[in-house]
Amino acid sequence: QQKVQQSPESLSVPEGGMASLNCTSSDRNFQYFWWYRQHSGEGPKALMSIFSDGDKKEGRFTAHLNKASLHVSLHIRDSQPSDSALYFCAASLFTGGADRLTFGKGTQLIIQP
Amino acid sequence: EAAVTQSPRNKVTVTGGNVTLSCRQTNSHNYMYWYRQDTGHGLRLIHYSYGAGNLQIGDVPDGYKATRTTQEDFFLLLELASPSQTSLYFCASSENPGQNTLYFGAGTRLSVL
Repeated sequence: QQKVQQSPESLSVPEGGMASLNCTSSDRNFQYFWWYRQHSGEGPKALMSIFSDGDKKEGRFTAHLNKASLHVSLHIRDSQPSDSALYFCAASLFTGGADRLTFGKGTQLIIQP
Repeated sequence: EAAVTQSPRNKVTVTGGNVTLSCRQTNSHNYMYWYRQDTGHGLRLIHYSYGAGNLQIGDVPDGYKATRTTQEDFFLLLELASPSQTSLYFCASSENPGQNTLYFGAGTRLSVL
């Protein structure tokens, strides 16, 4: 079973619009959540992290975490063509030892000029 | 920014062939990871390590071996390559995968004919 599930698989948004990506975890032990972004031909790069319930804003990007419902979301306002990429949600738990990050399957975001 | 270098960038081999993928990080990170990326599956963890000589099994380890020879170097070995191992492979490193960023290399595209 996929422990980190993302929706939608693909999303098309007009330039200047709002893009909303969703992520649900099936493991209540996850404590740390991340969004990574991958442009075509490159490796993924960290976009932002969120560890506490509520909203976290970084520029045009806002992440929201609700640990009770195991739901994380990413909202991109004023979307730009450069935001077109594959977005991964990732989650981790802290064990103090062999820690690892579990990724979802990704959401392909297309910004239409 | 943290540097993770993978080699080769592209590799073609035949079924039953022997392949070694290399990864070097120059950031003194404790954790290093090997992921494979396939359409429809996202990023899946193969093996990882939290220090020289340490090895941990990921989610899709079958057919792969790994070795962490130094703090900087992490290798992925395919001793009897199969077509199902045709994929895009990423190496990553991190100080602590939960609370700290994972830094990815540029990837190695492997084709097994």
